[in-house]
Amino acid sequence: EIVLTQSPGTLSLSPGERATLSCRASRSLSNDYLAWYQQKPGQTPRLLIYGASRRATGIPDRFSGSGSGTDFTLTISRLEPEDFALYSCQQYGRSPYTFGQGTKLEIK
Amino acid sequence: QITLKESGPTLVKPTQTLTVTCSFSGFSLNTNGVGVGWIRQPPGKALEWLALIYWDDDRRYSPSLKTRLTITKDTSKNQVALTMTTMDPEDTARYYCVHKEVAAPFDFWGQGILVTVSS
Repeated sequence: EIVLTQSPGTLSLSPGERATLSCRASRSLSNDYLAWYQQKPGQTPRLLIYGASRRATGIPDRFSGSGSGTDFTLTISRLEPEDFALYSCQQYGRSPYTFGQGTKLEIK
Repeated sequence: QITLKESGPTLVKPTQTLTVTCSFSGFSLNTNGVGVGWIRQPPGKALEWLALIYWDDDRRYSPSLKTRLTITKDTSKNQVALTMTTMDPEDTARYYCVHKEVAAPFDFWGQGILVTVSS
């Protein structure tokens, strides 16, 4: 089973700042099958990024993903008020399709 | 337009068996590469993948829950069901149904159903 470790657990930033979230895999992901999801309180998770760096349909370009192998990053270039949420990474290349424990992005 | 919707009991007693059903539209589980899965999220906690069934009846399970889970499909009804035995209060969570294709992420989610395990 591939274990995904996200850091930090909580990130406190202000609107307009840049956010950098990390996701580390216990072993290399084949084809970089790594996705990021955003979940606002009381809402369903929404797919943001797949294939480590591809934005899903309708996702603003301030969201970007990077990385390969075992180290991946989600960057939000300039935080908007609606971006404060829980972010989870997931690997979908090999069953079991594990998730990270999440990073809570909160307003400072 | 792909939609998924979960249904089932919202309250179960400890030791009982839970069955939740996903009714979907906008795609077919007869189509090569398509799958439907289940993910849960206890209140305030992380997402946990549970199980997935593919168009060819290939079934995948979380190793830690495999002995308690069964996933089935009814392609004529566009439904997928998940059964979880021996429910415990720690299984209290929102259970989500999701669409997935081979080599693709979970791109469409149902709204989820909150299942509480309590006597």
